[in-house]
Amino acid sequence: QVQLQESGPGLVKPSQTLSLTCTVSGGSISSGRYHWSWIRQHPGKGLEWLGYIYYTGNTYYNPSLKSRLTISVDTSKNQFSLKFTSVTAADTAMYYCARDSVFYSGSGTSFALDVWGQGTTVTVSS
Amino acid sequence: EIVLTQSPGTLSLPPGERATLSCRASQSISSNYLAWYRQRPGQAPRLLIYGASSRATGIPDRFFGSGSGTDFTLTISRLEPEDFAVYYCQHYDSSPPMYTFGQGTNLEIK
Repeated sequence: QVQLQESGPGLVKPSQTLSLTCTVSGGSISSGRYHWSWIRQHPGKGLEWLGYIYYTGNTYYNPSLKSRLTISVDTSKNQFSLKFTSVTAADTAMYYCARDSVFYSGSGTSFALDVWGQGTTVTVSS
Repeated sequence: EIVLTQSPGTLSLPPGERATLSCRASQSISSNYLAWYRQRPGQAPRLLIYGASSRATGIPDRFFGSGSGTDFTLTISRLEPEDFAVYYCQHYDSSPPMYTFGQGTNLEIK
């Protein structure tokens, strides 16, 4: 059973870079069947998709955050990572990593986030 | 960009009742690209429904997804204690790839 686990500093100073890593266990990130996503949730708020990566390194980002965001993959460690530059208090949130799966049925192809990490809280404060 | 609007914001029901949650898209979307999640307090979201009506692995048949075009519904029959949580609908846009979520419906015990 695939499991995802986020790791990284819980506290980041304003204007610095936030770096998080998601470790995948119970399956290979290189299987080619999935994309790997980052999602965040501001305190008491809804979900915001940040972007995803394929094991080849191909990425897609939320256009509203693209200028500050980099997602990378390390297949040798079965990990993918997020870097968020020039953070402010508005980036304080719970950050989740998730597996992005494709589902096939008679009506066509569907996409959804079917395995999630437990999340890691990041606070931006001096 | 597709905007998803969920209603009601809060739904108060007793255990054993039926819950009906709505998700409306700002324009017509493919049913294949609509999913539902449940998020219990202090936990990560869990996928319930994909393709508007297909239950994810391990999801009991009291969860029923339906809808098409701009209007989608998640129905939960016979509410169990673990069902009281926040529910999100989600749309996947394929070009360019992008996930967007509704603002959530808080299902609380009455």
